Formats: sequence, C-alpha cells, structure tokens
Amino acid sequence: GQNIDQPTEMTATEGAIVQINCTYQTSGFNGLFWYQQHAGEAPTFLSYNVLDGLEEKGRFSSFLSRSKGYSYLLLKELQMKDSASYLCAGRDSNYQLIWGAGTKLIIKP
Amino acid sequence: ETGVTQTPRHLVMGMTNKKSLKCEQHLGHNAMYWYKQSAKKPLELMFVYSLEERVENNSVPSRFSPECPNSSHLFLHLHTLQPEDSALYLCASSSGQSSTGANVLTFGAGSRLTVL
Repeated sequence: GQNIDQPTEMTATEGAIVQINCTYQTSGFNGLFWYQQHAGEAPTFLSYNVLDGLEEKGRFSSFLSRSKGYSYLLLKELQMKDSASYLCAGRDSNYQLIWGAGTKLIIKP
Repeated sequence: ETGVTQTPRHLVMGMTNKKSLKCEQHLGHNAMYWYKQSAKKPLELMFVYSLEERVENNSVPSRFSPECPNSSHLFLHLHTLQPEDSALYLCASSSGQSSTGANVLTFGAGSRLTVL
C-alpha cells in the first residue's frame, strides 16, 4: 500500500534548527510536497522536490532522496511563528497526493 | 477577494439537518477539491472537479453530495450526517488536476463541522 510516515510532534527552541523527516512509499513517484498549517488556518505550500538534493528557500530547506524514499524539511533560525503543523505529501504515478498525518512543531522561547 | 474562501467557518448540525458548505476561488484555477481533515489523520481526498466535471469520488458516503456550478464555486451538501463526520472540511483549488510540474494546491481555511 501507499504510505507517508512523519513524526507526530516535535519540540524545538527559538533560534535553533529543526529537521522534520518524512518517509514515503508510493506507487511510482512524481514529487514530494511540504505544506505548513497554522492552527485554524489553511495549509500553505512550502516546497516541492522531484529531483534528489536540497532545495533552499530562505530559512526553510527541503531535501529529497528518491532511492531511500526519504525527505526532510529543515527550518533554521526558528521563530515563534514557525509553531505549526507540517504536512508531507508524496505524489504517485497517477498524480494522486498521498498525505502524512502531519508533524506538530512546538517552538519554545 | 483573492485566494480560496470557505463559508461557514464553523457549523453545528444535528443528524437530521441539511446544510451546505461553500467554497469560492478567484485564482483562475480549473480544478477544485474537497478534503476531510480529522485530528492526527492524513488528509482524505473526497471529491475532485476538473473543468466543472467530477473526476474523482473516493468512495464517499452519499450523505455528502458535491456540486460545482462553475469553475469558481464548489459546494458540499450535507444530509443525515453521523457524529463521526465531525471534522474540518478543506476546499482547495489548482491550475490542473493532474500534470507535470508542481500543480500546487491552494487551500481555504476550512469549515469546522460538528455533528451532534
């Protein structure tokens, strides 16, 4: 079956770095997405990886290894506003999105 | 107004009520989606409309009935729901239903539904 695994919850300190991991099993592969969702708000797009390697976008970076079925989202210089849920989604050969349950990130001062 | 707008934001209904959720997008997208989000569970895709035609229905019970009158509006009609249907219902839109490239989803803030 198809599956996305990511930790349920993580805690980090303001100003630090945190890495949120995601492993995926999909029928075929057409990209890996990360979305951010603040409580009570819409999920918003963060990143898309389809080739191996690191994509950097300001304080946020996303990494993909297709051979390992693995991705991570790296958040640097954490701010209190980064407290949110981070959703990982893989796209299969039919271009269907398979979603993880999300990782709730708690930032402490 | 830009983005994806959902109304109402909160809805409480009894099991015998009939209500509707509304979604509106002004992004010029031609695909619209309904997702169900329950606590600590992955997003569940319910329905997909592409160019106003339903292209996907993921075995959703008939008590949920979608309607897409035009490319900017999407409704979810609710009838005789069960308490386990209580969840956040998210609407999303994209520029294409399946394609190469990112085809990023733009989500609304959701309608929080409680069924008593």
